[in-house]
Order: sequence, then structure tokens, then C-alpha cells
Amino acid sequence: DVKVTQSSRYLVKRTGEKVFLECVQDMDHENMFWYRQDPGLGLRLIYFSYDVKMKEKGDIPEGYSVSREKKERFSLILESASTNQTSMYLCASSFLAGIAYNEQFFGPGTRLTVL
Amino acid sequence: RKEVEQDPGPFNVPEGATVAFNCTYSNSASQSFFWYRQDCRKEPKLLMSVYSSGNEDGRFTAQLNRASQYISLLIRDSKLSDSATYLCVVNWDNNDMRFGAGTRLTVKP
Repeated sequence: DVKVTQSSRYLVKRTGEKVFLECVQDMDHENMFWYRQDPGLGLRLIYFSYDVKMKEKGDIPEGYSVSREKKERFSLILESASTNQTSMYLCASSFLAGIAYNEQFFGPGTRLTVL
Repeated sequence: RKEVEQDPGPFNVPEGATVAFNCTYSNSASQSFFWYRQDCRKEPKLLMSVYSSGNEDGRFTAQLNRASQYISLLIRDSKLSDSATYLCVVNWDNNDMRFGAGTRLTVKP
């Protein structure tokens, strides 16, 4: 079974703090994604990566950065956390498959609260 | 127009009922379509892909209408365990996927 793990299930931080969210997958997937999920808005893509050291902006990259130094690990960084970044953060991975079938496997999510 | 739009529900149905969800998408170039299921406080998981000819998996039937740019999910003989949020997912280009906000289903005894 594919396993995607995230470093924390719940996290509480203060405004202005630097926050690191870690994601690890064990299936040698090329693609990794970071989403945030908010009520009524669904999942919105923050950043994704096709390969090590490669990153692409998603729909809402402002206030976030990412790092992919190893294939299995994709980190999301909030440089200076703000209250509007309080959300559920979901990491996902998938095989590189072009426009073909490319199921995404999700981690359990990190619920971040910024006070 | 939202990129991927779903009726948020909630749909409250009795056990054994048939329920259908629709989802519209705005990108006519989209090629891949999926339904994911998300249980409360859990991560989304793939329920089924949606193929051009329509496809069925047990009690679940998915349909695609390219001309009108919508996909549908039909659940027959609803079970209590079908209670969840159903997410419509459409690929935008290659590996970029867009998610609907989800339709919440509650199946009651």
C-alpha cells in the first residue's frame, strides 16, 4: 500500500513564526503536491513538484515556499505565518503519468492553527 | 464560472435510496476525471475514475458528458457507510488536478 505521511496531525503556531510541514511518501512517486482545504472552497493547490529540486506554483502560492531535496520528501514552508493560513494542509503524491490516469494518494493532513 | 463546481448539499437520504451528484467543469481540454471520497476528518481517497463511455463499480456508476462538460456519480441502494463527502476532480493539464468543493452525503437508517 502507498503510504504518505505528514509530520504532524495538529499544529498551533503564532503569527510571524516560520512553520515547516513535512511530507514523506514511500512509493517512489515522481509527483508531490501540497494543498490546503477550507470549508466551501475544496482543495486548492499551493505548490507541486515533478522531481527533486523542481517546483511549480499552484493556484495560491503566496506566503508559502517548498523544498524537495529528496524524491520521497516534500516540505511546505510558511515563512511568516498569518492567521489566514489557518487551514487543513494535505500532501499528496502520484506517479508521473502525463494526462493519463494519475491517482493521487493523500497523507492524513495537518490541521494548522495560527494564533 | 468556477473551474469545478459541485452542489454542496447536504444530501440526506434513507438507506436503500438512489442518489445522484453532478459536477460541472470549465476546461474543455480536460481529459481525466475522477470521483474521490472523503470521510469526516480523513484524507480524500480515490473512489473511481470516470471514462468516456461511463463506468460502473458495484453500486456506483459514473458518467461523463463532454459536450455539456459535466460528470455525474450515481449511488444505488445507499448504505450507512456511504456517508461522506464526494469530491469531483478534473485534470487541468498533465498532472495539475482541480478539485470541487465536495458534495456531502448523509445516509440515515
